[in-house]
Amino acid sequence: SAVISQKPSRDICQRGTSLTIQCQVDSQVTMMFWYRQQPGQSLTLIATANQGSEATYESGFVIDKFPISRPNLTFSTLTVSNMSPEDSSIYLCSVRAGDTQYFGPGTRLTVL
Amino acid sequence: AQSVTQLDSHVSVSEGTPVLLRCNYSSSYSPSLFWYVQHPNKGLQLLLKYTSAATLVKGINGFEAEFKKSETSFHLTKPSAHMSDAAEYFCVVSYFSGNTPLVFGKGTRLSVIA
Repeated sequence: SAVISQKPSRDICQRGTSLTIQCQVDSQVTMMFWYRQQPGQSLTLIATANQGSEATYESGFVIDKFPISRPNLTFSTLTVSNMSPEDSSIYLCSVRAGDTQYFGPGTRLTVL
Repeated sequence: AQSVTQLDSHVSVSEGTPVLLRCNYSSSYSPSLFWYVQHPNKGLQLLLKYTSAATLVKGINGFEAEFKKSETSFHLTKPSAHMSDAAEYFCVVSYFSGNTPLVFGKGTRLSVIA
C-alpha cells in the first residue's frame, strides 16, 4: 500500500494568484497522478507525472496553467496558476502501487 | 475505449436494509475494476478491487462486488446498511497497461435513513 499526504489541506485564494500543492508518498513510486474534483463532480485526471520526465497532460489541461514538478520518487507538486473562481475544486494526488491506485486526502481550494 | 457507467446518481436506503450500487463498464479487454468511497470532506478510500482473480470480491466494511463478464457489470452490495455508509461511491475501471489512467464513473451518492 501507499500512504499519501498533501499540503495544504485547504486554502482560500484571491483570483490571479497561484497556489502550489505538495504531495508526499511514504514509498518510492514511479507513477504519480494529479486529479481535479469540481464541486459535486467525479474525478478528472489533470496529468501523469513520472520521475525524470515531463508530465503528460490530459486534454483540456496545459502546463502553463498547471505546472508540475517531480523531483524524486516520493514527491511532487502541482501549481494552479493565475487562479479564477472556476479553479475552485478539490485537487488530489494519487500513486500507483502494484495493481492498486491510492489517493491522498485532497486539497480543497476556494478562489474568490 | 473504456468507460464506466454508474446507473444511479443517488440511492437512498433505510438503515439495516440491503445496499445495491450498480456499475457497468465497456471494455474490449479484461479490466481491473475498483470501488472507492468518499466520505464528506474526506479523501478517497479503496473499498475493494477485482483484478482477474475470484469474481466475487469482498471488501472492507462488509461490502462486496461481483464481476460478471457476460453482463459487463460490477455491482456493489452490502447486506445491511449502516448510517456510517452514507457517502459518495465511485466505480473505476483500469487496465494498468503502460500509462493507461483510471476511468471514473460519475459517482453514486448513498443516503442512509434512520
